[in-house]
Amino acid sequence: QSVLTQPPSVSAAPGQKVTISCSGSSSNIGNNYVSWYQQLPGTAPKLLIYDNNKRPSGIPDRFSGSKSGTSATLGITGLQTGDEADYYCGTWDSSLSANWVFGGGTKLTVL
Amino acid sequence: EVQLLESGGGLVQPGGSLRLSCAASGFTFSSYAMSWVRQAPGKGLEWVSAISGSGGSTYYADSVKGRFTISRDNSKNTLYLQMNSLRAEDTAVYYCAKNSGYYYDSSGGIFDYWGQGTLVTVSS
Repeated sequence: QSVLTQPPSVSAAPGQKVTISCSGSSSNIGNNYVSWYQQLPGTAPKLLIYDNNKRPSGIPDRFSGSKSGTSATLGITGLQTGDEADYYCGTWDSSLSANWVFGGGTKLTVL
Repeated sequence: EVQLLESGGGLVQPGGSLRLSCAASGFTFSSYAMSWVRQAPGKGLEWVSAISGSGGSTYYADSVKGRFTISRDNSKNTLYLQMNSLRAEDTAVYYCAKNSGYYYDSSGGIFDYWGQGTLVTVSS
């Protein structure tokens, strides 16, 4: 059971928009920045969004992030088949000795 | 270009030991905290351990505390993970990840670059 809750799967058609939610608590999302990671099939994760809504260099603006209270959301517009991947949210948790926590991951299927 | 190359994975019996290495290049290694993150087959990501840029501070997940030891050699730009008393539940791909800051904390804990991973299988 992950500290951060994500839907196991989402799907949408090419060209459409999809959102992936990440729910936590005041000890993690509520008081810390959220980052998002994309893991394409058979590859290592890659940083997609950091500090709630910032994109690293090279990440297209089709990807966006937001946070409200104890929840965060990843948005992807203009879906492409190449976006099919697992997406993970992550953040610092002030109540745990482990400190860094990830969501359980969401598999995005582009129909 | 940042590159992280893990090695040292393999098959080991329960109770055995293994040492993972991660060779880093493309950035000033000693200026950043580093972490190990693992992924069991078909499962999600789990942070395992982190170390500050100097190596003076180390951090562990409860699941590995007392069994795993993280270290780094800044003269060789290499990160290590010594894994002892291995269990079946430690079976996973282990990723080396660069943190975004010198310290492993709420602002420097972001994993901005990842290696390709090395598979550790604990089985008899």
